[in-house]
Amino acid sequence: QQQVKQSPQSLIVQKGGIPIINCAYENTAFDYFPWYQQFPGKGPALLIAIRPDVSEKKEGRFTISFNKSAKQFSLHIMDSQPGDSATYFCAASRNAGKSTFGDGTTLTVKP
Amino acid sequence: DAGVIQSPRHEVTEMGQEVTLRCKPISGHNSLFWYRQTMMRGLELLIYFNNNVPIDDSGMPEDRFSAKMPNASFSTLKIQPSEPRDSAVYFCASSREGLGTQYFGPGTRLLVL
Repeated sequence: QQQVKQSPQSLIVQKGGIPIINCAYENTAFDYFPWYQQFPGKGPALLIAIRPDVSEKKEGRFTISFNKSAKQFSLHIMDSQPGDSATYFCAASRNAGKSTFGDGTTLTVKP
Repeated sequence: DAGVIQSPRHEVTEMGQEVTLRCKPISGHNSLFWYRQTMMRGLELLIYFNNNVPIDDSGMPEDRFSAKMPNASFSTLKIQPSEPRDSAVYFCASSREGLGTQYFGPGTRLLVL
């Protein structure tokens, strides 16, 4: 019930491509779904987040799509750049309590 | 704001020694989380506090690990005795009540020889 399953484990795209990372959850009580970005040697940092009352949220080149009925959400990165190369984690939480994290996706954007 | 502060940033110790990791959360945040990150196990929640009270310590691997939060601005994670399998990056994160976003510190890279 507390799991968040993230895929793929790793992803390689060319500059300008649109990588998509997917997450699925089981606990319907989750009400907050953030994505974190982590660069080597750094802590994860919030990238973008969504609540289940909206189906999509966009911030710059980053978009979250949310499908409540399927219990799935995904991160799309438009016009990806080499500087986007990082590990991305999805997460889910309930009532702003502890977050359950996905296993992470290592993204490489080739020049 | 200075962000979450962790110390030390790197720690190398020998098996059997006591290790103490420190964390100062962002001022005004009332939830604090300790995580461990390894290649094999990913990001694991060890324990989290709300208003200085431990709420969930089910992720603490064993009795060798202990955590305290004596006040709103300081927390420690102690490993005694340390073992090579404890080698990992330990992150502290904090959040404000009612908001799900966690702010992570830079981490402490621990190597137990």
